[in-house]
Amino acid sequence: DVKVTQSSRYLVKRTGEKVFLECVQDMDHENMFWYRQDPGLGLRLIYFSYDVKMKEKGDIPEGYSVSREKKERFSLILESASTNQTSMYLCASSHTETQYFGPGTRLLVL
Amino acid sequence: GNSVTQMEGPVTLSEEAFLTINCTYTATGYPSLFWYVQYPGEGLQLLLKATKADDKGSNKGFEATYRKETTSFHLEKGSVQVSDSAVYFCALRSGGGADGLTFGKGTHLIIQP
Repeated sequence: DVKVTQSSRYLVKRTGEKVFLECVQDMDHENMFWYRQDPGLGLRLIYFSYDVKMKEKGDIPEGYSVSREKKERFSLILESASTNQTSMYLCASSHTETQYFGPGTRLLVL
Repeated sequence: GNSVTQMEGPVTLSEEAFLTINCTYTATGYPSLFWYVQYPGEGLQLLLKATKADDKGSNKGFEATYRKETTSFHLEKGSVQVSDSAVYFCALRSGGGADGLTFGKGTHLIIQP
């Protein structure tokens, strides 16, 4: 079975802090994705990557950056966290069109 | 651009009732269509998918048919169980390669015993 893990299930940070969310997949997938999930808005794509060191902006990249130094790991970075970035963050990976999701990180920015 | 519209709920049904969750989409080209399910406290799991018109995806008693003429992908189940209580997301992918999914807002389904 595909396994996508995220470094934290819950995270509390203060406004202005730099935040790293880590995602690791164990199936040698080329493609990895970061989404945020908000009530009433569903999931929205932040960034994705189709290869090591490659990245593409999704629908809502503002305030975020990403890093993919190794194939199995895809990091989401909030350079200076703000309260409107309080959300559930979901990572996914894929080889073909089916995406496999991690359990999510619930981030609270105070 | 791409978009997915689904009934938001919550939808409350009694056990063994018939379920329909409507999903319609707008997309360029010929998208692939998906239903994902999210159980409480968990990430999303793929429930079923269809990649071309008239395809029927099915899994765990759920079905959905890709209807190009009505741009729809409605989710159905003949007899729901309490364990089906979850949030259901309709999604599409229209690009090639690594394109992300476009999701609907999700439908919260509650099944009462």
